[in-house]
Amino acid sequence: QVQLVESGGGLVKPGGSLRLSCAASGFTFSDYYMSWIRQAPGKGLEWVSYISSSGSTIYYADSVKGRFTISRDNAKNSLYLQMNSLRAEDTAVYYCARVGGYGAFDYWGQGTLVTVSS
Amino acid sequence: DIQMTQSPSSLSASVGDRVTITCQASQDISNYLNWYQQKPGKAPKLLIYDASNLETGVPSRFSGSGSGTDFTFTISSLQPEDIATYYCQQYDNLPPWTFGQGTKVEIK
Repeated sequence: QVQLVESGGGLVKPGGSLRLSCAASGFTFSDYYMSWIRQAPGKGLEWVSYISSSGSTIYYADSVKGRFTISRDNAKNSLYLQMNSLRAEDTAVYYCARVGGYGAFDYWGQGTLVTVSS
Repeated sequence: DIQMTQSPSSLSASVGDRVTITCQASQDISNYLNWYQQKPGKAPKLLIYDASNLETGVPSRFSGSGSGTDFTFTISSLQPEDIATYYCQQYDNLPPWTFGQGTKVEIK
């Protein structure tokens, strides 16, 4: 069965950095586009970034452009999000999600909490 | 960017009631509209894709309709396990892909 397991969240000071990982299993990782989506405490869902199956095409939300970097290692079945220059407003649960053939996020991880606070 | 306006933001209904949520896009998105259910403390779950297609394993009391800018999500007979927040999401053309603000469904 499809499994996505995020890790790497935690408490970081404003201006700091954090790298999130997402370990995928149960499907051919290299065949699928992947995304990061976040949810601030008590708020709605915000799409953050997207990477194509080969890694050649990448998009970011304006709110993270220039600070976050998405990447993937198809040999390790892993997705990453490098987050730099973190701000208080980046505090959220970060989910990795598989992008299905019809553009929907058809499988999600359990999420990892990132807290940016001094 | 395409904005998604979802309403209502919350609703309270009785078990067995028909529940309807609407989502309006700021421009034509054809049928590139998905619906998700999120229970407290859990990750979202895909229910409906391409506006009206039921994801495998999702109960048939859930349905979706619409195209262009106006979309509707319906629970035909509300069950206690349907208590959750529901989100629409558009994926027209290139990112950014945007979500509606969410609708919290409670039991009366």
